[in-house]
Amino acid sequence: KQEVTQIPAALSVPEGENLVLNCSFTDSAIYNLQWFRQDPGKGLTSLLLIQSSQREQTSGRLNASLDKSSGRSTLYIAASQPGDSATYLCAVPANQAGTALIFGKGTTLSVSS
Amino acid sequence: DAEITQSPRHKITETGRQVTLACHQTWNHNNMFWYRQDLGHGLRLIHYSYGVHDTNKGEVSDGYSVSRSNTEDLPLTLESAASSQTSVYFCASSESTGRRNTEAFFGQGTRLTVV
Repeated sequence: KQEVTQIPAALSVPEGENLVLNCSFTDSAIYNLQWFRQDPGKGLTSLLLIQSSQREQTSGRLNASLDKSSGRSTLYIAASQPGDSATYLCAVPANQAGTALIFGKGTTLSVSS
Repeated sequence: DAEITQSPRHKITETGRQVTLACHQTWNHNNMFWYRQDLGHGLRLIHYSYGVHDTNKGEVSDGYSVSRSNTEDLPLTLESAASSQTSVYFCASSESTGRRNTEAFFGQGTRLTVV
């Protein structure tokens, strides 16, 4: 059974810092991995989707990497801003047969000005 | 713009009542999903569908049912609401092309309180 773990559960940084959020998964036979952002009381917003054939995806100040063999992904946020404060979730397909996602419990990021 | 909408956004119901949460997507995606989100448990899969007339049970399906009569809608029904079903419910959709999946898009959620 696929399990997804995110460390740390919470992170507080001053504005301007570069930071890394970690995601690990137990079954490396995944087709893709997706990173989401969730603001309090809101739905999930997709940030990046990495297919299994890719090693990295970039969107603005965000860079996500995927290492299937080690069961890890990282989300790198450059020059953090207070507006980046949110919960960040990673998710992988539950199994090879389908696309239903299994989520980690998230990392709650607080960026202070 | 394509979107996925949930209704109602907030709902209070009594124990034992049947409740239906609506989910409508205009992405024309074949995959649709229902999740619940609870403190300490994160997002857990309730039911999902890979196409019209297809439904599958997820991790926490007891007490819930879904039906898929068209591409756009996947309503979630709580047969007899229980206090343990107080939660925030999210609907999502995605597309599949062979082994490559598109991004999953989520609705804004329905906050359900069972009293």
